[in-house]
Amino acid sequence: KAGVTQTPRYLIKTRGQQVTLSCSPISGHRSVSWYQQTPGQGLQFLFEYFSETQRNKGNFPGRFSGRQFSNSRSEMNVSTLELGDSALYLCASSLGLRNRETQYFGPGTRLLVL
Amino acid sequence: AQTVTQSQPEMSVQEAETVTLSCTYDTSESDYYLFWYKQPPSRQMILVIRQEAYKQQNATENRFSVNFQKAAKSFSLKISDSQLGDAAMYFCAYRIDFGGSQGNLIFGKGTKLSVKP
Repeated sequence: KAGVTQTPRYLIKTRGQQVTLSCSPISGHRSVSWYQQTPGQGLQFLFEYFSETQRNKGNFPGRFSGRQFSNSRSEMNVSTLELGDSALYLCASSLGLRNRETQYFGPGTRLLVL
Repeated sequence: AQTVTQSQPEMSVQEAETVTLSCTYDTSESDYYLFWYKQPPSRQMILVIRQEAYKQQNATENRFSVNFQKAAKSFSLKISDSQLGDAAMYFCAYRIDFGGSQGNLIFGKGTKLSVKP
């Protein structure tokens, strides 16, 4: 079974631009979560989607948004990029909402904002 | 607020030896899950081992085992017979159930493990 895939793997943007990242979960998985990883702040939770609905949200500004499609694929969008948004963005999928289920991570999208 | 602390930013172990990575967490919840994830350089994060808080028995996965001390809120990872492929960042993580949501993972800052041949 294929793992979690994320596209693109690398991105370079300039301040003020917007960016959209994509995540395809493991087949059959319906829950998708997003995390931001930076050297300074570590791994921080962005949001979680299940059945096209946002179920949980981390403490990030409104410039960060996401959505999930009927096939469970998810996208996250960052508008008006800032230098501090440079990070590795990780997507994780799991079967559903039961908390005993493990989250499986994708390889991440590395975003550099210049 | 829930927090996870990994007090060892870096550790080193000789190949074939045993190493223990420390993790403590702070929570007022009684039902939660604990995880150790491994992130090799430039590679994706993978689950090493997980522990349900309601289980008293410590989890084991081959060469990896945990020492879960619920009262002390401690969750250390022991790697036996260390191999070169064990070199990676290791993250301790915690998750509770928010009801209607799986609950997000709260991660520690990580411990960078080096394995010497």
